[in-house]
Amino acid sequence: DTEVTQTPKHLVMGMTNKKSLKCEQHMGHRAMYWYKQKAKKPPELMFVYSYEKLSINESVPSRFSPECPNSSLLNLHLHALQPEDSALYLCASSQDWLPGLPPLHFGNGTRLTVT
Amino acid sequence: AQSVTQLDSQVPVFEEAPVELRCNYSSSVSVYLFWYVQYPNQGLQLLLKYLSGSTLVKGINGFEAEFNKSQTSFHLRKPSVHISDTAEYFCAVSDPASGGSYIPTFGRGTSLIVHP
Repeated sequence: DTEVTQTPKHLVMGMTNKKSLKCEQHMGHRAMYWYKQKAKKPPELMFVYSYEKLSINESVPSRFSPECPNSSLLNLHLHALQPEDSALYLCASSQDWLPGLPPLHFGNGTRLTVT
Repeated sequence: AQSVTQLDSQVPVFEEAPVELRCNYSSSVSVYLFWYVQYPNQGLQLLLKYLSGSTLVKGINGFEAEFNKSQTSFHLRKPSVHISDTAEYFCAVSDPASGGSYIPTFGRGTSLIVHP
């Protein structure tokens, strides 16, 4: 069982919809991440939050909007997505954000399909 | 920027046989190295990591990897695989001394397929 919980597990949305992905961890970790993973590809870093502040934005389009309401929660708000945004979205966490260190704990992801 | 190469996209092997999954990285003075496993329909799980110290690193599920600086490699090994080891394996590397380029880079992945 993963200690990083993501909801929903699956999401189908149209290009005009607004939806949100949610991520929760109760390990006291202060760094949380969003990754995007296309089929048969490695995960690509999107955002890093450290102590609830956005530390890294890997030039992600503005139709993806992250939010960290508190140290346990991380959201990814989606609006006006394109079919090519269909992918597995992974949330991850680590005790702290340290340069050079990837996250240690991943959730099982949300499988997003944009129609 | 660091780059990482996983030479084999797929490795088929019979149950109880040994396996080696290869990972090479671009040369650097300092590196951090990682292996992750991803089972179907799941997220990534850290198998092991090398930050410094002993070049032989032991991880979970009976896996180990050896850091070879002269060959810029970090191959993953298991002496006897199980059906349950069937999964995608990702090598990741980062250079902590590279200033802004400290985002770890993942390899393209190797699909380990264990046959009965």
